[in-house]
Amino acid sequence: KQEVTQIPAALSVPEGENLVLNCSFTDSAIYNLQWFRQDPGKGLTSLLLIQSSQREQTSGRLNASLDKSSGRSTLYIAASQPGDSATYLCAVRPQGGSEKLVFGKGTKLTVNP
Amino acid sequence: DTEVTQTPKHLVMGMTNKKSLKCEQHMGHRAMYWYKQKAKKPPELMFVYSYEKLSINESVPSRFSPECPNSSLLNLHLHALQPEDSALYLCASSRWTGDLYSNQPQHFGDGTRLSIL
Repeated sequence: KQEVTQIPAALSVPEGENLVLNCSFTDSAIYNLQWFRQDPGKGLTSLLLIQSSQREQTSGRLNASLDKSSGRSTLYIAASQPGDSATYLCAVRPQGGSEKLVFGKGTKLTVNP
Repeated sequence: DTEVTQTPKHLVMGMTNKKSLKCEQHMGHRAMYWYKQKAKKPPELMFVYSYEKLSINESVPSRFSPECPNSSLLNLHLHALQPEDSALYLCASSRWTGDLYSNQPQHFGDGTRLSIL
């Protein structure tokens, strides 16, 4: 059974700092891995999707990497801003015909001005 | 602004009421999803529709009844809910490209905050 773990559960950093969020998964048989952002009381905003054949994806100040063999992904945020404060969730889509995303519990990020 | 629109944003209902949640997208996506999210927990998949047909039901109680009347709309009909059903209900959609649909990102709405009295 696929399990996704995100460490740390919460992170607080000063504005301007570069930071890394971690995601690990137990079964490397995945189609893709997706990073989401969720603001309090809101839905999920898709940030980046990395296909199983890819190593990384970039969007603006965000860079996500995927090491499928070791079951790890990182989300790198450069020059953090208070507006980056949110909960960040990673989710994998397992192979085997399942349409289900398996989510981690998220990392709550606070960027202090 | 999200491209998946959910209404209402908030809903309070008694255990004997019947209500419906609505979800709409105009991105041409042919896969649509309902998720349930409790506080401080990740979303849990409830239902998946592909080409307006129910393809996955994650053993959801029958008091939740999904409906996909056309390719842009997804409803969730609620009846005789329990207090533990109070949660944020999220709708999502994604493209379907045959065998490659699994590599398409899911786009989420802002959800309906449901409270059962």
